[in-house]
Order: sequence, then structure tokens, then C-alpha cells
Amino acid sequence: DTEVTQTPKHLVMGMTNKKSLKCEQHMGHRAMYWYKQKAKKPPELMFVYSYEKLSINESVPSRFSPECPNSSLLNLHLHALQPEDSALYLCASSQVDILAYNEQFFGPGTRLTVL
Amino acid sequence: QKEVEQNSGPLSVPEGAIASLNCTYSDRGSQSFFWYRQYSGKSPELIMFIYSNGDKEDGRFTAQLNKASQYVSLLIRDSQPSDSATYLCARGDGNNRLAFGKGNQVVVIP
Repeated sequence: DTEVTQTPKHLVMGMTNKKSLKCEQHMGHRAMYWYKQKAKKPPELMFVYSYEKLSINESVPSRFSPECPNSSLLNLHLHALQPEDSALYLCASSQVDILAYNEQFFGPGTRLTVL
Repeated sequence: QKEVEQNSGPLSVPEGAIASLNCTYSDRGSQSFFWYRQYSGKSPELIMFIYSNGDKEDGRFTAQLNKASQYVSLLIRDSQPSDSATYLCARGDGNNRLAFGKGNQVVVIP
């Protein structure tokens, strides 16, 4: 299985809502990532989990809260978002390799619209 | 200076021709380089990775790495309309981070 899955595919939420994005992989990868991508821009790294522990937080606002319940699952909890947070949210996974030979595989993404 | 530079203007190539994409990077210590293809509205798909100087071929794709000159390139031979997409160059930084270039749109004209 060489797939990263994400749910939901699309999400529309109001600024007062709380919602969660989910990501799952069964490739045995021990690093998982959340990226945000705006139109015509490259993906921007938000968080990295390595061996289920948060290893990188790229100064993301606290209205985004990541969670890694186990080695296959990654969640992103959303609360009090702003319209400028509307974007494609991408999950990725990779091996953890000290030599940096860590090809990252992306899921299909969740298209988020904040009203 | 940005970490990874790609000339971002669209590249139009006739069907059957070779598309050539270039990427330069600033960190001489970089060891791993990746090319992702992204169709409009879809997620990035890894198509090539290269770690050693020289060429690496996979089907119609060839990645070339020159660490002395700090560039990596992607050649697409026999370009097809299905190759029309944005191609993202990225380098690994050794800490599970990828530094992406802005991307290069390729349009293959039938």
C-alpha cells in the first residue's frame, strides 16, 4: 500500500466552528507532515511528527492544533479559523532517515474554505 | 537569496519535444533533491529523486544533478499533453524539511 489518504476532501466551515482533518498511511513511515498550499504557491510546511512526537512547528498559529494518535494517523484540529486560512491542506509521510533521503509522499489534500 | 530557485514562467513545448526544467539551490550541503508534478487542483506527486551527481533516468524522465554548480534539472522526453502540469523542485535539508521552489508550469501543445 503506497497511499496516503485524507478526509474530508472538501470542508466549508465558519469562523466559530471546530473541525478536524484526518490523514492515514500504511506504508510504515514514521514521519508525517502537514502542509498548507495556497493557489499558485508551493506547499508551506506547518508541522512535522517524527516517531509520533512533534518535531517541527513552523510558528503556526494556535488555532491549528496537530495530533498524532499513532504511527499511521495524523489529525489537524481547527478552531476559530480566519478566511485567509482557506487553502489546500496536504498531509505527507516519509521514512525517517538521518541522511535526509526521505522521499515524502503526499495525500490528495483537503480543500478548506473558511467563511 | 531563496533556498531553491526555479524560473517560474510557463514553458510551452510542442508534443513530442523535450521539456527542460532547471532549479538552482543555495545550500552547498544539500544532499537530496526531488521533483514533484502537480496537476491543477491536485496534490504533488513525486516523480523523481536524485542524490548523486550525474543523471538518473526513469522512463521519459531524466533528472540531472550537478553539486559543484548547485543545480538540478529535469528533462521530459517525448512530451505528452498529459505532462501539462506544474513541476516543483525541492531539496531535503536533513531535518525532514523540504525546501520547495516556486514551481514551473509546463504546457504541452498538441
